[in-house]
Amino acid sequence: QQPVQSPQAVILREGEDAVINCSSSKALYSVHWYRQKHGEAPVFLMILLKGGEQMRHEKISASFNEKKQQSSLYLTASQLSYSGTYFCGTGSGSARQLTFGSGTQLTVLP
Amino acid sequence: SAVISQKPSRDICQRGTSLTIQCQVDSQVTMMFWYRQQPGQSLTLIATANQGSEATYESGFVIDKFPISRPNLTFSTLTVSNMSPEDSSIYLCSVGKDSTDTQYFGPGTRLTVL
Repeated sequence: QQPVQSPQAVILREGEDAVINCSSSKALYSVHWYRQKHGEAPVFLMILLKGGEQMRHEKISASFNEKKQQSSLYLTASQLSYSGTYFCGTGSGSARQLTFGSGTQLTVLP
Repeated sequence: SAVISQKPSRDICQRGTSLTIQCQVDSQVTMMFWYRQQPGQSLTLIATANQGSEATYESGFVIDKFPISRPNLTFSTLTVSNMSPEDSSIYLCSVGKDSTDTQYFGPGTRLTVL
């Protein structure tokens, strides 16, 4: 099953913070976060592994709660360049492929 | 990180025809994945392609419609056969060892079927 992302969309002012959540009904081994700008391919942000540490990419960080089968992406002091659609991709069991959430559209306004 | 190229970058095709999309990687990779992304939607896995074996298709996708070749560790093709307007999508290839490894995406092929 597809992981559930929330919110579906968020609009921020430059400098504000945002949190994007990803929740799965399956036990997770990994959570991958990507950002996709319109007309472009998804760009890898970070990967969180079961038993691993919270990750950070510039002013973007993410956590992984294995028990709750959830991950959250934290965007701090957002910049205009953060605008795009954020996808989580989850890996579970012995599956080699990822299953992607429905996406969260983030818009950062000046 | 892997550098991935796809050809063509976009195409407009007539109903009933077929299009073959190429994916080239700058290094040898074990796993290659083909995704479809319909307008405004998420990424849906079509199939996983391993070199030297048959591709593994996800539910809802069949080999007759989406034949895949994987002749070596740096190259794969996806053919969209007997196209209909419902096949209009972006098709992306990606590479990664497994679900605990980083997966990188190619730039995608934007397909429009008239």
